[in-house]
Amino acid sequence: EDQVTQSPEALRLQEGESSSLNCSYTVSGLRGLFWYRQDPGKGPEFLFTLYSAGEEKEKERLKATLTKKESFLHITAPKPEDSATYLCAVYRAGSYQLTFGKGTKLSVIP
Amino acid sequence: NAGVTQTPKFQVLKTGQSMTLQCAQDMNHEYMSWYRQDPGMGLRLIHYSVGAGITDQGEVPNGYNVSRSTTEDFPLRLLSAAPSQTSVYFCASQGQSSTQYFGPGTRLLVL
Repeated sequence: EDQVTQSPEALRLQEGESSSLNCSYTVSGLRGLFWYRQDPGKGPEFLFTLYSAGEEKEKERLKATLTKKESFLHITAPKPEDSATYLCAVYRAGSYQLTFGKGTKLSVIP
Repeated sequence: NAGVTQTPKFQVLKTGQSMTLQCAQDMNHEYMSWYRQDPGMGLRLIHYSVGAGITDQGEVPNGYNVSRSTTEDFPLRLLSAAPSQTSVYFCASQGQSSTQYFGPGTRLLVL
């Protein structure tokens, strides 16, 4: 059974204080690992797809990395507008089902 | 492109009532899916479709029906609503890449 565990559940940062969110996964035949951002009352917004260990993707203050067991979402010098819940999900080869973690709620304090 | 749209945004039902949650996409994606999101549970797959006329069950299909008569539309039907179906429902679509794009959600309260 595919499993995705995200940590921490919640994270409070001061504006400009860099940190990382963790996504540990267990899946037989990873087809892709996805990061989404979700604002309150909205649907998940796609951020990144990572396909193989060693891959990295960047977008503004966010950088996602992937190993064979986990992925990190690094947030550099965050701003209050980065406050959101960040979701990690995996896609198994031969499956049409995304398995999601429970998310990390990030709060960036001015 | 509007992307993935969902209606209604919010709905209150009484136990035993039926309703249909609408989902449409204008990206010509073959794959569409329905998820529910509950506090502390994350997003869970209800049903999905890989093309018109083809549907299959996900992780939590009980109490829900789907059909796919066109590429664009993928409605979710609750035949007899129960309080356990109180949740936020998201529709998603996926094209040739493996990336799923989500709609804005429907918030359902069953009394």
